[in-house]
Amino acid sequence: EADIYQTPRYLVIGTGKKITLECSQTMGHDKMYWYQQDPGMELHLIHYSYGVNSTEKGDLSSESTVSRIRTEHFPLTLESARPSHTSQYLCASSELGSGGDQYFGPGTRLTVT
Amino acid sequence: AQSVAQPEDQVNVAEGNPLTVKCTYSVSGNPYLFWYVQYPNRGLQFLLKYITGDNLVKGSYGFESEFNKSQTSFHLKKPSALVSDSALYFCAVRDSGNTGGFKTIFGAGTRLFVKA
Repeated sequence: EADIYQTPRYLVIGTGKKITLECSQTMGHDKMYWYQQDPGMELHLIHYSYGVNSTEKGDLSSESTVSRIRTEHFPLTLESARPSHTSQYLCASSELGSGGDQYFGPGTRLTVT
Repeated sequence: AQSVAQPEDQVNVAEGNPLTVKCTYSVSGNPYLFWYVQYPNRGLQFLLKYITGDNLVKGSYGFESEFNKSQTSFHLKKPSALVSDSALYFCAVRDSGNTGGFKTIFGAGTRLFVKA
């Protein structure tokens, strides 16, 4: 079944730790995105990718980095987590055409203590 | 530059009554317009979109929306609300022209409460 997955769903981690949030999709979509969303608030685009080896920064400045080595995989890494990184992170994917709607993963809720 | 506005933070409606969640947009070219719904502790789910053609778009769960170019609006509507429709709704816009890139801009969201 075509879907988009995010792991972990919930993560509580101490300040200074390195973390990687995983995102995988089985739909063969070229475009993938990472959004940051405080609970019940608006979405902020932090990273996106048009395909393998393509990564771009979004509208909201973020200390995270991403990579796109495989079409289906778009992990997000924080080298040194801080309490200000506490938020929900949503991964999404879409077809390459500009009219494609986005498919969202369930999100990772990150808490940095 | 493209932008989207959802003027209401919250909409309250009684079950069985019609509901409207408002959205207006601004793009330099032709808009692609989307509605998404988010339930608690979940990601966003696609509801409907307008790309081209008929201005009235029908989507999932009985929702519909009408593209109004003169008013630059894309309000979300449903004839009869259900308690289970209570959620956070996001309007989104993408500029179909290359100058806008392929980024989708999301509104701030409108929380819908449907009371039994």
